[in-house]
Amino acid sequence: ILNVEQSPQSLHVQEGDSTNFTCSFPSSNFYALHWYRWETAKSPEALFVMTLNGDEKKKGRISATLNTKEGYSYLYIKGSQPEDSATYLCAFRVGCCSTGSRLTFGEGTQLTVNP
Amino acid sequence: EPEVTQTPSHQVTQMGQEVILRCVPISNHLYFYWYRQILGQKVEFLVSFYNNEISEKSEIFDDQFSVERPDGSNFTLKIRSTKLEDSAMYFCASRNRRGRNQETQYFGPGTRLLVL
Repeated sequence: ILNVEQSPQSLHVQEGDSTNFTCSFPSSNFYALHWYRWETAKSPEALFVMTLNGDEKKKGRISATLNTKEGYSYLYIKGSQPEDSATYLCAFRVGCCSTGSRLTFGEGTQLTVNP
Repeated sequence: EPEVTQTPSHQVTQMGQEVILRCVPISNHLYFYWYRQILGQKVEFLVSFYNNEISEKSEIFDDQFSVERPDGSNFTLKIRSTKLEDSAMYFCASRNRRGRNQETQYFGPGTRLLVL
């Protein structure tokens, strides 16, 4: 059974603060690591797909890094805004073909940014 | 921007009844998925579908579940005889093609199913 863990479970920050959270996943048989941003009553929005050890990706104020050897990824938000409030999900995909392309999700980090 | 749509947004049903959850994936996508999230738990994979057949299913996806792509645009999940523990948010997702550059699975907004 694959285990994907995210920490912290929830986070409250003030507008303007920078923040980061962690996703840990199995370091063997890695294929890809996905980050999603999910606001209540909306579709989970794809942020990043990370595939190579050492990958760093950026989208506006949000960036992510990947370490496949030790099995973790960090998501950073610089200068948090109230509209960043959402649940951030990471999802792990094992190597191709043995188990298809299913994603195994962490429990998410719920971020609240106070004005 | 193209998006995955799902209907209905909410469904309430009696235990033992059949439900069909509908999804319209993004039009040029080839891979289709159902996931669900029981309240307070992780999002979990149910089934993937490619080339008009199931490519992978989880241990949750037993004989009570079936999927179909009846007309080339809709993708449906049928639960034949619902149980209380089927109450969850059901998500449909689709992906364009194979390969690490096309990995992103695009999710719909979900159908909230409540079994009474």
